[in-house]
Parts: sequence; structure tokens; C-alpha cells
Amino acid sequence: QITLKESGPTLVKPTQTLTLTCTFSGFSLDTGGVAVAWIRQPPGKALEWLALISWDEDKRYSPSLKSRLTITKDTSKNQVILVMTNMDPVDTATYFCAHRIYFNSAYYSEAFDLWGLGTLVTVSS
Amino acid sequence: QSALTQPASVSGSPGQSITISCAGTSRDVGGYHYVSWYQQPPGKAPQVMIYDVSNRPAGVSNRFSGSKSGNTASLTISGLQAEDEADYYCSSYTTSSTLVFGGGTKLTVL
Repeated sequence: QITLKESGPTLVKPTQTLTLTCTFSGFSLDTGGVAVAWIRQPPGKALEWLALISWDEDKRYSPSLKSRLTITKDTSKNQVILVMTNMDPVDTATYFCAHRIYFNSAYYSEAFDLWGLGTLVTVSS
Repeated sequence: QSALTQPASVSGSPGQSITISCAGTSRDVGGYHYVSWYQQPPGKAPQVMIYDVSNRPAGVSNRFSGSKSGNTASLTISGLQAEDEADYYCSSYTTSSTLVFGGGTKLTVL
């Protein structure tokens, strides 16, 4: 059974750096085709894709946030970490991590079949 | 990259069919077979209903179907049920090797 769980601070101040951790079970980020993404959703607003990291260390970032984001993985701990610098009140959102659909190392989709519950991060002084 | 364009809201009566559109460009929806649809009930995480334009994950009702024509993708829900009331989001792969979501559509079952 695959599960994902987000963790991190619930409140950060403007200009601070946010570090979020996605701890997962039921799969390995060492397996070909596997990937984990971060997606956020401001209160009452739409989903926004932030970043993705694959089993082979391929990393992709939202063009509008690329300069502020860093995604890494710790395979030994089954974790994916997202770092976002220079936080602003507009970054207040629920942050989700999600597992990409995959069938094998050569066939995977660009959709997400399993999501964490999300963690609400508020940016306020 | 700009968000994909979805209608803000759609509605239908139980038993009816509804279609939600998702308009993009040749750099996303029109250029790839990687369009997906998510259902999000209030206060919950999204759930994938369609991936790769028209594929249904195991466990998703066959009342949900997806299609694409040119730069516009569509999600159709047939035999509308009260439990289908939720927000729906489309997503597409892009030429930048990134993903982009639509603005979301609120489905109301009358």
C-alpha cells in the first residue's frame, strides 16, 4: 500500500525559507519510472504544480518559481524534500506531495495516482 | 506557462451527462497525450479520474470518460450522481517538460 505524508512548519514569516518533507512508503525512488511531485493550492484557489523528482535524479521545476525552489530525495529515508526560499504571503497554501503513475521504467504517465493529505503553510509576520 | 482554461462552473441534474472543457495550446494539451483529470471534494486531496487523455485508473467508474480534439481536452460524466459534486481540474504536460493545471471547475448536481 502506497502512502505519502507531508510535514513541515505551519507558519513561516515573509522572506524566510520553507522546508517541506514528503515521507512515503510502499514504493522506492530507486525504482525505474518512479517520481514524486509537489503541488500546492492556495485557499479557495486552483492547484499549482511546483516540482518533480524522478528515480534517476531528473528534476523539473515550475518556470515561474524555478529560482526559488529546490527538490531533493533521500532514498534511504524514503523522503522527498522541497525547499522554497523568500516566502511571501501569496505562498500561503496547502502543499501536497504526490506519486506519479508508472507501470515500468519505460512506461509512465504524467499524472498522479496517490496524494498525501496536504499540509497548510501560512506565511505571515 | 499559463494555466489551462476551464469553465468556472457547470451543473446538471441526476442522471444527465455533463462535459467539462480544458483549453490549452499546441505547447501543452495539443502537443501531448498526457492530459489528466482530477476530482477534488471540499477539504480533500485530489483523486485522478482520467490519465493520458482517456485512460481510467482501476476503481474509477466508467461513467467518467476523457477525450481530446486539437488543443482542447474534455471530461464527460454520464449518469450524473450527487456524489460527483466536486471541483474538477485538468492537467497537461508541456514543452518545457513541466506540468500545468487548469483553473478548476465546480460541478454542482442540482
